[in-house]
Amino acid sequence: GQQLNQSPQSMFIQEGEDVSMNCTSSSIFNTWLWYKQDPGEGPVLLIALYKAGELTSNGRLTAQFGITRKDSFLNISASIPSDVGIYFCAGQKENRDDKIIFGKGTRLHILP
Amino acid sequence: DTAVSQTPKYLVTQMGNDKSIKCEQNLGHDTMYWYKQDSKKFLKIMFSYNNKELIINETVPNRFSPKSPDKAHLNLHINSLELGDSAVYFCASSQDSVDQPQHFGDGTRLSIL
Repeated sequence: GQQLNQSPQSMFIQEGEDVSMNCTSSSIFNTWLWYKQDPGEGPVLLIALYKAGELTSNGRLTAQFGITRKDSFLNISASIPSDVGIYFCAGQKENRDDKIIFGKGTRLHILP
Repeated sequence: DTAVSQTPKYLVTQMGNDKSIKCEQNLGHDTMYWYKQDSKKFLKIMFSYNNKELIINETVPNRFSPKSPDKAHLNLHINSLELGDSAVYFCASSQDSVDQPQHFGDGTRLSIL
């Protein structure tokens, strides 16, 4: 079935570094969502994007809805230890009744 | 004041048993979902209900039967549990349709012995 390609699969960075991750699809999406999942908890919505080209920030997080509508990006600036977790992109295709599809996640590790 | 709450948090049972997981949301949302997250953390939708009506039913074995007594509740009953059913099951809800941001519960960790 339809899948989103999310990369990188995992990242090991130093505290204070900036982080970039992205999600791509062969299909056009109408909605892009970014979630973070901490161990033992459910995913928590970080940013929702509804318009091609849209750039939205949430604190140190910034996400963009790609102009082609086939990709989205998430950036985290000046990472801190609590940023550790799994980040998921999710998208919904053009039809309003289509289910939301999740990427396989980017695991962010911060080195001491 | 938990928004989406699932019970139980952990469920350990033997193959062949029947079990249920309950979900309740107090957000006033119309749409609720069940997702399965496997050991590789891949999240896949199983079902969604809008105002007690089934709107998404993915290719899920018919041993899995969701039930929505009202729009604030969506329960999942699983018959004849198999080893491959071991996973974390997440309930979620959204305002009124599939494209709205979804709020997730903390998951039910199902382990089949």
